[in-house]
Amino acid sequence: SSEVTQEPAVSVALGQTVTITCQGDSLRTFYAGWYQQKPGQAPVIVIFDGDYRPSGIPDRFSGSSSGNTASLTITGTQAEDEADYYCNSRDSSGNYWVFGGGTRLTVL
Amino acid sequence: QEQLVQSGGGVVQPGTSLRLSCAASGLAFSDYAIHWVRQAPGKGLEWVAVVSYDGDRTYYADSVKGRFAISRDTSRNTVFLQLSSLRGEDTAVYYCARDLGCSSTSCHGNAFDIWGQGTTVIVSS
Repeated sequence: SSEVTQEPAVSVALGQTVTITCQGDSLRTFYAGWYQQKPGQAPVIVIFDGDYRPSGIPDRFSGSSSGNTASLTITGTQAEDEADYYCNSRDSSGNYWVFGGGTRLTVL
Repeated sequence: QEQLVQSGGGVVQPGTSLRLSCAASGLAFSDYAIHWVRQAPGKGLEWVAVVSYDGDRTYYADSVKGRFAISRDTSRNTVFLQLSSLRGEDTAVYYCARDLGCSSTSCHGNAFDIWGQGTTVIVSS
């Protein structure tokens, strides 16, 4: 299957830790990328190739993977982390990319 | 400043065509694959197409195959998306994005690291 699936919505208390997951068979072969999108803005990469954090992204963001599941963890969640988060990967051929449906993160 | 600057877009009638442009400024461009990703109003991100670093290989989502064409002009550091036979369901914000994980040396990663600002396409009669 070339699909990847995410929880539609997750909430977290300010300062706590939250994990967002992305599941799909392709994740056994290809790393996930994670993107943060705030209303009216273009997506911003927060994790690439599974667990690498681009420069400028706070170290409270981390990524991991196991089997067919990739995870994005935010440790010490801040109010500004409230956003939609998308994972992406590829299909089994490696020539087609796919995004998960997105997870809306609410910071309480 | 590294950026992708998009142009094109607008309001068009069903069945017509449109060309979107994505120009690189201040960033390495010619060594990396470039994708187009779209987002319909109130919906999630949808991958549309990719062109390899040299323009020799292109791949498309099933939803646009045969109607859209992606290309690149390396001399102008620009990637194009030609949209044809447009339908209402093509209405979306279209983004281009550089893929740091897919370069001239390898293409096993997954890293859409630089995104354009987005351009809106509205297909309506």
